[in-house]
Amino acid sequence: KQEVTQIPAALSVPEGENLVLNCSFTDSAIYNLQWFRQDPGKGLTSLLLIQSSQREQTSGRLNASLDKSSGRSTLYIAASQPGDSATYLCAVEGSARQLTFGSGTQLTVLP
Amino acid sequence: GAGVSQSPSNKVTEKGKDVELRCDPISGHTALYWYRQSLGQGLEFLIYFQGNSAPDKSGLPSDRFSAERTGGSVSTLTIQRTQQEDSAVYLCASSAAGQGETQYFGPGTRLLVL
Repeated sequence: KQEVTQIPAALSVPEGENLVLNCSFTDSAIYNLQWFRQDPGKGLTSLLLIQSSQREQTSGRLNASLDKSSGRSTLYIAASQPGDSATYLCAVEGSARQLTFGSGTQLTVLP
Repeated sequence: GAGVSQSPSNKVTEKGKDVELRCDPISGHTALYWYRQSLGQGLEFLIYFQGNSAPDKSGLPSDRFSAERTGGSVSTLTIQRTQQEDSAVYLCASSAAGQGETQYFGPGTRLLVL
C-alpha cells in the first residue's frame, strides 16, 4: 500500500526566504506526483504536476523535482511571501488512478 | 470556464439521518473523484468514476456510503444512517481523462453529524 510522508509538518519563515518542502513515497510505481495548496476552509489548488518520466516542473517562483527511483520529491519556493502561507500537500497517482496524499506541510511566511 | 462546484457548502445533520452531497464537475471532464478530509485522517480516496466504466468503489469506508454519476456529469454521494465519525470535509475532483491528468478540486462540503 502506498504511503506518502511530508516533512516538516509545519514551517515558519521570514518573508523573502527560499524554502524547500519534502515529500517521500514508498512505492515508486507511480504515474505522476502533484503538489497542491490548501488555504484554511478552502479546497485544493493544483500547483504543479510532474509525470513519472519527468524530473522537474516549474511555475513562477515554484519548482518541483521528482526522483522516482528513490521515492522523493521536493517543492522549492523562491523569495517567499506572506501570501504563500497555506498548507502544501503532496499526492501521488498510482495504477489505481486515485491520489494518495501526504499529511501536508503547514507553511507560515512572516511579514 | 467554471470550476468544480459542490453543494451544499455546509451540512449539519443528526446522527442516523441520511445526507446527499452533490458535485458538478468541470464541463467535458470524464473522470470524477470523491475524497474525504477529516481531522487526524488526512485526505483519503473514496470513489472514482471514469466515463461509462464501472466505478472504483475501493475507498468507500462502509456500505452506508454510495455514489452515483448521472449522464456522465453530476455526481451524488449519499451517506445513510450518518454517524459522528462521518463528520469531515467531502471533496470532489474532476480531470479531463483520468489517469495522468491534473485533478481539479471543488471547495468541499463540510459535514457535521451531531
